[in-house]
Amino acid sequence: GAGVSQTPSNKVTEKGKYVELRCDPISGHTALYWYRQSLGQGPEFLIYFQGTGAADDSGLPNDRFFAVRPEGSVSTLKIQRTERGDSAMYLCASSLGLNTGELFFGEGSRLTVL
Amino acid sequence: KQEVTQIPAALSVPEGENLVLNCSFTDSAIYNLQWFRQDPGKGLTSLLLIQSSQREQTSGRLNASLDKSSGRSTLYIAASQPGDSATYLCAVGYSGTYKYIFGTGTRLKVLA
Repeated sequence: GAGVSQTPSNKVTEKGKYVELRCDPISGHTALYWYRQSLGQGPEFLIYFQGTGAADDSGLPNDRFFAVRPEGSVSTLKIQRTERGDSAMYLCASSLGLNTGELFFGEGSRLTVL
Repeated sequence: KQEVTQIPAALSVPEGENLVLNCSFTDSAIYNLQWFRQDPGKGLTSLLLIQSSQREQTSGRLNASLDKSSGRSTLYIAASQPGDSATYLCAVGYSGTYKYIFGTGTRLKVLA
């Protein structure tokens, strides 16, 4: 696609529910990143993929968070048993490759856990 | 620990002023640094990317410099306009890892 696409743009859920956030990167970009941003803060790294494999998932806060990229393109961030503290903007970015160029971000998915 | 700091946290200037935003980082072993703009409630828009071998990059009214030895980058905005009002973030790509570390941003307001 022309840019990084994230869906949904807004998600409101109740505590304890399961949530999936989707990211469709720029066509041809092999590297894909997930970040989380709280109000007034800079984005915080969660995980990145090179192709289909999670090259570094050290930023995932706990085992309720999981991300996949089964065919090396679209990625899904999955959050189980959501908590109010999970409320944030979830940002996805892609680049041509790791260490090879600009990061391009999507518009983000705003998650609110009630 | 690899950290990125941006000063000032907020800045308000009259239209037409030239201004400088600062980004400092620990550890000079970086492979690139990128400046972004973020409007409220939106994603990040890439402004400039500086590779570790470069000293500066320019795009229109924007100029970004990089001094690895002192751990600093500056974003210079010439002839500021109200449309430049946004939060400006820098992100550092540290060698040995591919996860970019972000600063907390500078919130800029340009007054008409």
